[in-house]
Amino acid sequence: GENVEQHPSTLSVQEGDSAVIKCTYSDSASNYFPWYKQELGKRPQLIIDIRSNVGEKKDQRIAVTLNKTAKHFSLHITETQPEDSAVYFCAATDSWGKLQFGAGTQVVVTP
Amino acid sequence: GAVVSQHPSWVICKSGTSVKIECRSLDFQATTMFWYRQFPKQSLMLMATSNEGSKATYEQGVEKDKFLINHASLTLSTLTVTSAHPEDSSFYICSARVPGESTDTQYFGPGTRLTVL
Repeated sequence: GENVEQHPSTLSVQEGDSAVIKCTYSDSASNYFPWYKQELGKRPQLIIDIRSNVGEKKDQRIAVTLNKTAKHFSLHITETQPEDSAVYFCAATDSWGKLQFGAGTQVVVTP
Repeated sequence: GAVVSQHPSWVICKSGTSVKIECRSLDFQATTMFWYRQFPKQSLMLMATSNEGSKATYEQGVEKDKFLINHASLTLSTLTVTSAHPEDSSFYICSARVPGESTDTQYFGPGTRLTVL
């Protein structure tokens, strides 16, 4: 089945700097890659997603890149703000269309 | 937008009792819902896929007799944790797909914090 690995597990950045989180997946049939932001005790919130027919997608300060050949995708957050502090999860669909999540990255943005 | 609710938001129960958690799609009909479990500081682990009008499909290692899932209508799926034990204490989250949208996009409920004493 699908295996999603996510790095780093924790990421500390200064306000205004960029943050990058990387994920790899194993199932070459995966075609949907969402990123979720989860604050403590809250539900995961979809922040951006990308499909396999696209290499890059951007939404204001957030961008995601996908390299299907290498089976990895990344989340980029520019001009980080304290409210970006949260746990971020990458995910990929497996061959059954179910989401498999990465282990998560705790992002801390310090003022 | 697609809204998914859960009830209750938190529950405390004694060991050996059963607890029912409801997941509702408020503004759309969901033929498929998913149940996840999340332990502290860990990722979301898919427990089962709930299909309206048919039996749920469970992930490997999830006991179907312990985690009963019923998807009796297009807007409601329930998860019953039977004979709960302290190790079942966790954050349970449901999600649903919106018909007509991409079949991949999932919208999550707010979660239910279960504590078993």
